Amino acid sequence: GENVEQHPSTLSVQEGDSAVIKCTYSDSASNYFPWYKQELGKRPQLIIDIRSNVGEKKDQRIAVTLNKTAKHFSLHITETQPEDSAVYFCAARVAGTALIFGKGTTLSVSS
Amino acid sequence: ETGVTQTPRHLVMGMTNKKSLKCEQHLGHNAMYWYKQSAKKPLELMFVYNFKEQTENNSVPSRFSPECPNSSHLFLHLHTLQPEDSALYLCASSQDASPLHFGNGTRLTVT
Repeated sequence: GENVEQHPSTLSVQEGDSAVIKCTYSDSASNYFPWYKQELGKRPQLIIDIRSNVGEKKDQRIAVTLNKTAKHFSLHITETQPEDSAVYFCAARVAGTALIFGKGTTLSVSS
Repeated sequence: ETGVTQTPRHLVMGMTNKKSLKCEQHLGHNAMYWYKQSAKKPLELMFVYNFKEQTENNSVPSRFSPECPNSSHLFLHLHTLQPEDSALYLCASSQDASPLHFGNGTRLTVT
């Protein structure tokens, strides 16, 4: 089955810097790659997603890139703010199956 | 209002107790999921139901028993749990290939 690896497990940046989180997946049939943000004590919430027919997607300060050949995808957050501090999860899914999640990255943005 | 409602929010139970977690989705989705979230571990898929039929059981011990009476309701029946089962249990729903929508979770403590 699908296996998703996520790095780093923790990331600390200064406010205004960029943050990059990387994930790799094992099943080349995976075609959907969402990113979720989970603030302390709250539920995971979708922040951006990408499908396998697209190489990059942007939404304001957040972008995701996908390299199907290398089977990896990354989350990029620019101009980080303290409210970006949270745990971020990547996930991958083969059509017709459930999402498989990475272990999460705890992002801390200090002002 | 998240669209996915879980009750109770917190539950403390002894190892000999029997309890049930409840999930209800108001989004008209056709698939519902149980995930387990433990400290420093990825979101672990437990069960998947599509149109009330269980389609995935991710090698979950039999002390966890799911029930899906209709496409809007999902239960997780618990009996003779172990302390290592203490975790946040998240319910989610989706429609076909759409993103997952999570509930706020039930924080379970087994004493």
